[in-house]
Amino acid sequence: GAVVSQHPSWVICKSGTSVKIECRSLDFQATTMFWYRQFPKQSLMLMATSNEGSKATYEQGVEKDKFLINHASLTLSTLTVTSAHPEDSSFYICSASGSNQPQHFGDGTRLSIL
Amino acid sequence: GNSVTQMEGPVTLSEEAFLTINCTYTATGYPSLFWYVQYPGEGLQLLLKATKADDKGSNKGFEATYRKETTSFHLEKGSVQVSDSAVYFCALSEGSSASKIIFGSGTRLSIRP
Repeated sequence: GAVVSQHPSWVICKSGTSVKIECRSLDFQATTMFWYRQFPKQSLMLMATSNEGSKATYEQGVEKDKFLINHASLTLSTLTVTSAHPEDSSFYICSASGSNQPQHFGDGTRLSIL
Repeated sequence: GNSVTQMEGPVTLSEEAFLTINCTYTATGYPSLFWYVQYPGEGLQLLLKATKADDKGSNKGFEATYRKETTSFHLEKGSVQVSDSAVYFCALSEGSSASKIIFGSGTRLSIRP
């Protein structure tokens, strides 16, 4: 079946650094990708929706300058957390959908900012 | 706006017990409904779905029926196993697969041997 790969699965970094998370669709063309954030023991909250080749649409309350999303190809989207701080620590999950493909989720990235 | 409300957990059952996790939704149109499962430390896996009223989704012994009259999509399983321990999310989506998914708060299920 279709697979979405997310990398890295776990990252620890110092406060003030920027972190890039990749989301790849391995066997289908993902025209739309979604980025979610999940706090411990809570649900997934949609951060933004990105369509290949265009700017991402951010949900209300999500800082677009803080969370940079790029979807330059039909198989790759990236989320960059800029100048990360401890409050950005969370579990980030991407999903991808394409023509005749339901949304498939990645395994998530656990981000810990020290 | 659209929303999903599901039974709060945690839910703890003994192996082979009957499981029900309640889920109700609010939507302006005719959404597709989903149950996702998240095992510890992992992403989400689609467990089952239903796209129109009276449809029944089923997978791995789990079932849920799309009830438009009660706006519900309750998850059931006749005999749970320890391996079913996970967090279960009810969700809805309106439109195509490119539409955003709205999740419920999740229900943590623990099964005792």
